[in-house]
Amino acid sequence: RKEVEQDPGPFNVPEGATVAFNCTYSNSASQSFFWYRQDCRKEPKLLMSVYSSGNEDGRFTAQLNRASQYISLLIRDSKLSDSATYLCVVRSYTGGFKTIFGAGTRLFVKA
Amino acid sequence: GAGVSQSPSNKVTEKGKDVELRCDPISGHTALYWYRQSLGQGLEFLIYFQGNSAPDKSGLPSDRFSAERTGGSVSTLTIQRTQQEDSAVYLCASSLSGGLTGELFFGEGSRLTVL
Repeated sequence: RKEVEQDPGPFNVPEGATVAFNCTYSNSASQSFFWYRQDCRKEPKLLMSVYSSGNEDGRFTAQLNRASQYISLLIRDSKLSDSATYLCVVRSYTGGFKTIFGAGTRLFVKA
Repeated sequence: GAGVSQSPSNKVTEKGKDVELRCDPISGHTALYWYRQSLGQGLEFLIYFQGNSAPDKSGLPSDRFSAERTGGSVSTLTIQRTQQEDSAVYLCASSLSGGLTGELFFGEGSRLTVL
């Protein structure tokens, strides 16, 4: 079983739609969580951190459920420019720091 | 340029040859990571350097892979006797503090093709 699992998609949505991605993690000792965005043939970049109480950044909302070991990303009012791969990142300390990336969920927003 | 710099951006080599990939992190960043990404796949952790601590090499796939970081700055990833399955984009990232919270800043990657 992979440490961090995501639905690979692709998710195909029209502009203006709301779309949500989930990510599950297997290490219950995981302590910090993030979403990164990767455009086609580009390097990943931080989209947002995920806080225990949930957090919002404009059209993006991130949630954490420690009991069920999953995090989610909600995108409202999708834009064409949101088309990308969204990577779930989980960090932990178990004898050493670990930063594990999920395989990513691909999103295509259509006009 | 203030970002993470990687070289070469593209490398084509023959099976069995050795290759070296270089990463120049952002100045002052103490943490440095190497990942690789195969076509259509996620990022696979390779190695992590944090300051003067012993590196975490747990992700290196075989003893053909090694990495060093000189003077706490530039890092070199070496792949000996390359195989076709080594073909991937090798991504380097640096972080101001590493640990659990430091944002990772990635370079544009080195695309390795083994013929």
